[in-house]
Amino acid sequence: DAGITQSPRHKVTETGTPVTLRCHQTENHRYMYWYRQDPGHGLRLIHYSYGVKDTDKGEVSDGYSVSRSKTEDFLLTLESATSSQTSVYFCAISEGTGQDEQFFGPGTRLTVL
Amino acid sequence: GENVEQHPSTLSVQEGDSAVIKCTYSDSASNYFPWYKQELGKGPQLIIDIRSNVGEKKDQRIAVTLNKTAKHFSLHITETQPEDSAVYFCAASSGSARQLTFGSGTQLTVLP
Repeated sequence: DAGITQSPRHKVTETGTPVTLRCHQTENHRYMYWYRQDPGHGLRLIHYSYGVKDTDKGEVSDGYSVSRSKTEDFLLTLESATSSQTSVYFCAISEGTGQDEQFFGPGTRLTVL
Repeated sequence: GENVEQHPSTLSVQEGDSAVIKCTYSDSASNYFPWYKQELGKGPQLIIDIRSNVGEKKDQRIAVTLNKTAKHFSLHITETQPEDSAVYFCAASSGSARQLTFGSGTQLTVLP
């Protein structure tokens, strides 16, 4: 398995509170991605990073921000969580340099009450 | 942007039979098509992929075919086993950062 960890693995929070999810990789891959998974929607891209301090928006970026200060860490922040952000969040990594394969972490289940 | 549709949403087969899952995509610039298997409570696992310069790829009991003209690709699993039961996702890759657009998934159940 690719060296990807996510923390926390489970979190319950209340509407309006800030939440930060962490993705950590040990593969030294250039690209990192955040997806959310909801029933009937597959996985949808939130944000991605193509290098340290280089990030861009995905399909469903509203209400989310990201940061990447080190190659190995990619943080996803919900500034003010809403019930619609209840989901399972997956981080993925890709080597880049023409290698397209993306490898996924174990996921974080977030519940916003 | 890219749009990927996947069918069927559920599929039940008898052990030993074959299973086929089909996907269509909309962006002719997409050139990489992976398939993922997801077991309950786990992250998606890459099982096979195909690039647009290839029409078919096989890995033991799993094969993927790609028709660029029609913009569709399919996953074929032969001699299915109970451990093949899972949710399968197709995806298409485009963009400078190789972003993936996923289909909505197929719940495959292999009946013993």
